[in-house]
Formats: sequence, C-alpha cells, structure tokens
Amino acid sequence: DTAVSQTPKYLVTQMGNDKSIKCEQNLGHDTMYWYKQDSKKFLKIMFSYNNKELIINETVPNRFSPKSPDKAHLNLHINSLELGDSAVYFCASSRPPNYGYTFGSGTRLTVV
Amino acid sequence: GENVEQHPSTLSVQEGDSAVIKCTYSDSASNYFPWYKQELGKGPQLIIDIRSNVGEKKDQRIAVTLNKTAKHFSLHITETQPEDSAVYFCAKQFNNDMRFGAGTRLTVKP
Repeated sequence: DTAVSQTPKYLVTQMGNDKSIKCEQNLGHDTMYWYKQDSKKFLKIMFSYNNKELIINETVPNRFSPKSPDKAHLNLHINSLELGDSAVYFCASSRPPNYGYTFGSGTRLTVV
Repeated sequence: GENVEQHPSTLSVQEGDSAVIKCTYSDSASNYFPWYKQELGKGPQLIIDIRSNVGEKKDQRIAVTLNKTAKHFSLHITETQPEDSAVYFCAKQFNNDMRFGAGTRLTVKP
C-alpha cells in the first residue's frame, strides 16, 4: 500500500493551460503539505492544511489553489501555467507537531 | 530564523569511508531535527531524526548529533556503501511546517 500517492507522476503542458495534481494519504495523518522542488533540488513549502483547513500559504502566486475535500486528500490546481512553474511538486503528510513527514513520489511538471 | 544552512553541497567518498554532513540554524525555538534521503526519481524519505532533549541518536550505520548551544546538527554515515549515494536533506521544524537545507549530493565510489 502506498502511504502518500500523487497523480500524475509526469505532466507536460503548454503555457497558459490549467492543470491539477492530486494527492491522497492513507496514514491517518492530520496535516498535508505541498512542496516545490526546483532544478537545484531546493525544497520550498507552498501550502499546509490541517484537518481540511489552510494553515500555511507561503508567497505563492494566486494561480495556485489548493483544495482539501477531506483530511486524506489535498489537491493542487494551477491556472495559467507559466514556464517558471516547471518543477517537481511533492505532496507530504504528517502528524503535527514535530513529527517526520511522509512524502509522495512527486509530480514532474514541465511547461512548454 | 527560519533558514537552515547545509554543508557541503556535494560530497564524494570511497566505499567504506565515513561521510559527515552538517547543518546550522539560527533560531532557538526549534526542537525537532530530521534528516531525509532522496534517491533519483523518488520523494525524500525520513532516515533519522533527533529531538532537542538528546545529543546523539544512532541507527545502525547512521547517527545524528545535535549541539543546541552551538545550533548545529550533523549526520554521520559510517562504512558507506554505493547504495548510500543520494541527496541528503537536513530540516528543522519551523512553526507549523518543516524548513529544509539546500541538500548534499553524496556519491559513494565503489
């Protein structure tokens, strides 16, 4: 059983399109996150949800909108995709506070 | 106060040698310090963590040390093997999320 699963694994799309990435965790964790990893491997927090409520929204363009229908799911919708959005996006979950994260395997987004 | 500095950015060792990666931070509130290993094409995986009430923790060939006074913590890998080759990230809890170091690419040469 995959603990944190993301789909799709790869996403290639044109500039200006709208796309979504889905994430589901079966660990019973209360908190879920989206991280962006750039080409230099730097991991940057984007959003954090605790029991379906947004608790962190870093300086991310309004084109990015997370949605959490229940505490096991956190989806990421991106409008009007730009070249600079190309990166690997990781979903993660944890039991806060001060517990390790379980990451998904990532979604490699390429905007052309 | 939220950033974590990680060194070195790349590290190459011979199989069987030890590898040490060090991270420093500036705030005093953090009390949880995990380390993650990221293999090619995969997500980061928690390999060991330490809380501020202890100074060292070991798990087989890996160990983590924490110096809260000096605000640094280190990952030690002994008897390295080629499968240890990966990118390693230190992290620390910051408010409601985790802040990561920039990563260390470890290469173990057979």
